[in-house]
Amino acid sequence: AQKVTQAQTEISVVEKEDVTLDCVYETRDTTYYLFWYKQPPSGELVFLIRRNSFDEQNEISGRYSWNFQKSTSSFNFTITASQVVDSAVYFCALSEPAQGAQKLVFGQGTRLTINP
Amino acid sequence: DTGVSQNPRHKITKRGQNVTFRCDPISEHNRLYWYRQTLGQGPEFLTYFQNEAQLEKSRLLSDRFSAERPKGSFSTLEIQRTEQGDSAMYLCASSSPPGQPQHFGDGTRLSIL
Repeated sequence: AQKVTQAQTEISVVEKEDVTLDCVYETRDTTYYLFWYKQPPSGELVFLIRRNSFDEQNEISGRYSWNFQKSTSSFNFTITASQVVDSAVYFCALSEPAQGAQKLVFGQGTRLTINP
Repeated sequence: DTGVSQNPRHKITKRGQNVTFRCDPISEHNRLYWYRQTLGQGPEFLTYFQNEAQLEKSRLLSDRFSAERPKGSFSTLEIQRTEQGDSAMYLCASSSPPGQPQHFGDGTRLSIL
């Protein structure tokens, strides 16, 4: 069965610190997609990144980077030099194309607070 | 690309009333999803449409819930005889080819008095 675990419920850091959000997933499929979404206080879910199961290359986008490791079923997200605007709830999600609907299965989210 | 639009943004109603929400997806997206999010939790899948066909429903979707997507464009989600436990944020998302990211609307927050 699909499952996504974000063990860190809340993280609080001071601005300019680096922070890593953990995501561990479970799936029986060999083909799947992993996602990260950001939910700021305004409430809308904002897509950040998609990674398919065959592409283990890490990715960097500005201050954001993602580390995908199939061996440990993890897809961790690092923010470098954090800023107050990064404060939000971050969700990791999994979808399995073979299951038809490709619904997203979300983790419980990590609330990130960046203090000035 | 005007994004996914949901109406209303907020709905307050008394227990036992019926409510209906609307979602307008991104125009070129043929897949449409409904999710429910309660406080402190991640969104949970409710149902999925490909064009006008409703192809999957979660066990979360009780008989009081119904969703439609006439003509494969906008979708409506109706809850009949609302209960306290229905209070949540209802999110709509749309996407196109398989594996592409789902884009979410701002959601409709439902409060049951």
